[in-house]
Amino acid sequence: AQTVTQSQPEMSVQEAETVTLSCTYDTSENNYYLFWYKQPPSRQMILVIRQEAYKQQNATENRFSVNFQKAAKSFSLKISDSQLGDTAMYFCAFMKHAPGGGNQFYFGTGTSLTVIP
Amino acid sequence: NAGVTQTPKFQVLKTGQSMTLQCAQDMNHNSMYWYRQDPGMGLRLIYYSASEGTTDKGEVPNGYNVSRLNKREFSLRLESAAPSQTSVYFCASRALGGTIYFGEGSWLTVV
Repeated sequence: AQTVTQSQPEMSVQEAETVTLSCTYDTSENNYYLFWYKQPPSRQMILVIRQEAYKQQNATENRFSVNFQKAAKSFSLKISDSQLGDTAMYFCAFMKHAPGGGNQFYFGTGTSLTVIP
Repeated sequence: NAGVTQTPKFQVLKTGQSMTLQCAQDMNHNSMYWYRQDPGMGLRLIYYSASEGTTDKGEVPNGYNVSRLNKREFSLRLESAAPSQTSVYFCASRALGGTIYFGEGSWLTVV
């Protein structure tokens, strides 16, 4: 079974500072995708960033970037210039191909990030 | 852009009652999912459908049934609701590139 571990239940960061959220996963697959999703108080799930395992280059989306270490099975999210609107729960997710064509996603338990003014 | 639409948004049920959560997506995605979210548990997969006409169990399928009515719609049914099924339920669909898109969630309370 695939597992996704987020070891930081809660984190806080000062506005405009940088914060890194950690995620590790366990898999025997070689090809897969990794994602970070943001869930603000509205509970809507919003895609932040994605990474294909076959790509060595770390994904970047504006202030969000990842540090993907395939051998270590680590996928951390760095948020630069933190903004109040970044306050949310962040979920790391792993996707592999499943028999029959359906792709199953596995989620971590989440990290609650608070940006302090 | 409607994306993934799920109804109802809020529902209170009595133990033993049945109900169906509806989900529809307008992005022509093949794969659709139902998750539940409980405090400290993240999102857990209940059922998924890789394509129209197929459904498969996820991590926590007990007490639920699903129907993939057509490519757009994927419903989740609770036949006899139990307090342990109090949760927030999310429907999602997956694009070819792998990204999944979620509905806004359905808050279900079983008393």
